[in-house]
Amino acid sequence: DSGVTQTPKHLITATGQRVTLRCSPRSGDLSVYWYQQSLDQGLQFLIQYYNGEERAKGNILERFSAQQFPDLHSELNLSSLELGDSALYFCASSPTGLAAYEQYFGPGTRLTVT
Amino acid sequence: GQQVMQIPQYQHVQEGEDFTTYCNSSTTLSNIQWYKQRPGGHPVFLIQLVKSGEVKKQKRLTFQFGEAKKNSSLHITATQTTDVGTYFCIHGSGNTGKLIFGQGTTLQVKP
Repeated sequence: DSGVTQTPKHLITATGQRVTLRCSPRSGDLSVYWYQQSLDQGLQFLIQYYNGEERAKGNILERFSAQQFPDLHSELNLSSLELGDSALYFCASSPTGLAAYEQYFGPGTRLTVT
Repeated sequence: GQQVMQIPQYQHVQEGEDFTTYCNSSTTLSNIQWYKQRPGGHPVFLIQLVKSGEVKKQKRLTFQFGEAKKNSSLHITATQTTDVGTYFCIHGSGNTGKLIFGQGTTLQVKP
């Protein structure tokens, strides 16, 4: 158990819909990272937040957005969902804002878009 | 932009055989991290390398960072079925904050 929690564990929704994925980092960790993992594309970095502010951006679509709240939990919002958005979404946390630091991954949210 | 190429993509070995995966970059890397993801699981941090020529060992796993800091390898001696999973390397850019991933090597071990 990494200490990072993600909810929900599974999510099934229809195309065009909007969903919110939630992540609670390990106690004391200030950074939250979001990743998308699909079968054909491997692990893709989406975005990082550090202490409430966006720190780094990866291959995140404009239909996706994220935020980190004062209590440091984070939410990833996915809108106008398409079939291709079906994937496993991980969040990870880290004590610092430095990219060169070990990360602790949550169990993931499996999103299925039908 | 900066890329990290990881090979091989897949490797099937007989239990007891050795296994190696490589990450290569055309530019100097300030650091490299290695993670393991078991089937159906989440990535788990294994180690970080930052120094030129660094070698670190964890039981049957040996991690190396090249002298020029452009490549890294993970070697498993005498694989066991518990080694099954995907191993991938990550470079964290201190300048941009971006994370650059190797594509991962999926290891299958036949008992």
